[in-house]
Amino acid sequence: GNSVTQMEGPVTLSEEAFLTINCTYTATGYPSLFWYVQYPGEGLQLLLKATKADDKGSNKGFEATYRKETTSFHLEKGSVQVSDSAVYFCALRPIGANNLFFGTGTRLTVIP
Amino acid sequence: DSGVTQTPKHLITATGQRVTLRCSPRSGDLSVYWYQQSLDQGLQFLIQYYNGEERAKGNILERFSAQQFPDLHSELNLSSLELGDSALYFCASSPRDQSYNEQFFGPGTRLTVL
Repeated sequence: GNSVTQMEGPVTLSEEAFLTINCTYTATGYPSLFWYVQYPGEGLQLLLKATKADDKGSNKGFEATYRKETTSFHLEKGSVQVSDSAVYFCALRPIGANNLFFGTGTRLTVIP
Repeated sequence: DSGVTQTPKHLITATGQRVTLRCSPRSGDLSVYWYQQSLDQGLQFLIQYYNGEERAKGNILERFSAQQFPDLHSELNLSSLELGDSALYFCASSPRDQSYNEQFFGPGTRLTVL
């Protein structure tokens, strides 16, 4: 079946620290992969995506590379800011499907 | 602001009751998706409608139903409510029924069943 396993949180970092949130997936073929972010009291927003192997998605300083060989899509940012504090969700969309499968979410808190 | 609106923002009700959650998609979007976010199950896809027709079904209970109206707004009906139905319910929309379209999420409706 389709599933996403995401690094357990919560994660607390100091401002300007390096961030990695691990995400691995199980799916047949080549699903599309996504990172969504949920700020307090808001809905999910698409942060970045990748639709094929070795694609790198990037946005707002965040990056993730679609690794077929390790079935991973880890989220990274070189220098986090307080405003990055949110819950981050890794998700996949199977080939031919329209719905998304989400990981459990990782809460990130960045302290000044 | 994604352009997707959901009402009400919060809903508190008792076990056994029935509630209706409403979603208005972004202007021009034809697809609507419903997701449930709960502490124990995480974020799960419930159902998708495209231009008034049911397109895909996920882990939606038989006590739950949805529909999409001619003006493209959608309603999710939850009946015979149980404590475990307490969750955040999200609606998302996308332009077409194509797998490459991004989904835009609303702010959610928080349902509390007492």
